[in-house]
Amino acid sequence: DTGVSQDPRHKITKRGQNVTFRCDPISEHNRLYWYRQTLGQGPEFLTYFQNEAQLEKSRLLSDRFSAERPKGSFSTLEIQRTEQGDSAMYLCASSLVGTEYSGNTIYFGEGSWLTVV
Amino acid sequence: GESVGLHLPTLSVQEGDNSIINCAYSNSASDYFIWYKQESGKGPQFIIDIRSNMDKRQGQRVTVLLNKTVKHLSLQIAATQPGDSAVYFCAENNWRDGGKLIFGQGTELSVKP
Repeated sequence: DTGVSQDPRHKITKRGQNVTFRCDPISEHNRLYWYRQTLGQGPEFLTYFQNEAQLEKSRLLSDRFSAERPKGSFSTLEIQRTEQGDSAMYLCASSLVGTEYSGNTIYFGEGSWLTVV
Repeated sequence: GESVGLHLPTLSVQEGDNSIINCAYSNSASDYFIWYKQESGKGPQFIIDIRSNMDKRQGQRVTVLLNKTVKHLSLQIAATQPGDSAVYFCAENNWRDGGKLIFGQGTELSVKP
């Protein structure tokens, strides 16, 4: 499978615990995004990386959230001291960005469902 | 503020009919638009895209129309099939804003056999 891969697909955790999600983007894609989606809503942007550099973080990304992409390939999203409001699907996406005129088609993974109880 | 929205939250069509899903956007600086299909429990699946220098683009059974004058985007699905049942999102993208996508709420398409 050469698509965006996310792990785990489902995670149930107790409030206050830490969780970590992993994303493997499409090979050679230089840009990687994290989004969050709750039921009935469209995905909301959280953060993105260009290679290993984190270029933007949304105001939605509180200080309990941290994302890394240490070698410019896979990425992790960690949530510390989880709260019930963190329950959502966390989506990873990737794209190959060239010039302004080459487009930026963004491909999503299947998501990681988080339930905080 | 900047937003992307959909006119209809739900759309029900008969199998074999054509479907039209509409989307309004407000950021005139957006230069790239994508339609995604999302089935229950899965991630958004790329359907078709269009750049702001185009007004129409066709794919297999799908056509996207862009009207920059009124900031309107539509997705047309020909000969709709039960497998097309899903939530459809339009998303806008601005190269100078990091290329991140801004999504609307989505339209749920239900195809009746």
